[in-house]
Amino acid sequence: QQPVQSPQAVILREGEDAVINCSSSKALYSVHWYRQKHGEAPVFLMILLKGGEQKGHDKISASFNEKKQQSSLYLTASQLSYSGTYFCGTGTLPGSARQLTFGSGTQLTVLP
Amino acid sequence: DARVTQTPRHKVTEMGQEVTMRCQPILGHNTVFWYRQTMMQGLELLAYFRNRAPLDDSGMPKDRFSAEMPDATLATLKIQPSEPRDSAVYFCASGLSLSGTSGGTETQYFGPGTRLLVL
Repeated sequence: QQPVQSPQAVILREGEDAVINCSSSKALYSVHWYRQKHGEAPVFLMILLKGGEQKGHDKISASFNEKKQQSSLYLTASQLSYSGTYFCGTGTLPGSARQLTFGSGTQLTVLP
Repeated sequence: DARVTQTPRHKVTEMGQEVTMRCQPILGHNTVFWYRQTMMQGLELLAYFRNRAPLDDSGMPKDRFSAEMPDATLATLKIQPSEPRDSAVYFCASGLSLSGTSGGTETQYFGPGTRLLVL
């Protein structure tokens, strides 16, 4: 079953913060976050594994609440380059590159 | 800079014609995925190979779609005959799966996609 992402879309000004949520009804082993710009392929951002630590690099970080089967992606002091559609992909099994189920995406628009 | 490559990048064809899309996974990766992306359905998994063996193709319409890996460096997705509803962007992704239950890349790396339009 497809994970649920919220919000579906968000518009913010450069420098503002945003949070994107991903929720699953299944017990998760991993949550993968991707960003896709219009007309391009999804680009891997980060992965969170069950029992692992909160991930982050630069001003983008993510958390994984294993008990609630939820993950959140945090974008701090957003930049114009952050615009795009963010997808979470969820995996229910350990092991590499197994099947992921993707959410429907959150469209993020950063305005100057 | 290792990348997944896909050809062609764009394809326009007429209904009923055969379409073949090709994917070269990242060298050393042993897992290949085919996805279809549309505005309505989002990213849908069509087929999934590990070590060239098909593990799951339940997402693929069997009567017209077929996926193969002739060798470790080439994956193909074929549609015959094509229909207008097949119009979409088809992505290939690859990853590394090691023996046992953990290890490898733990994620998938996407190619640039093939944008297909069936008239």
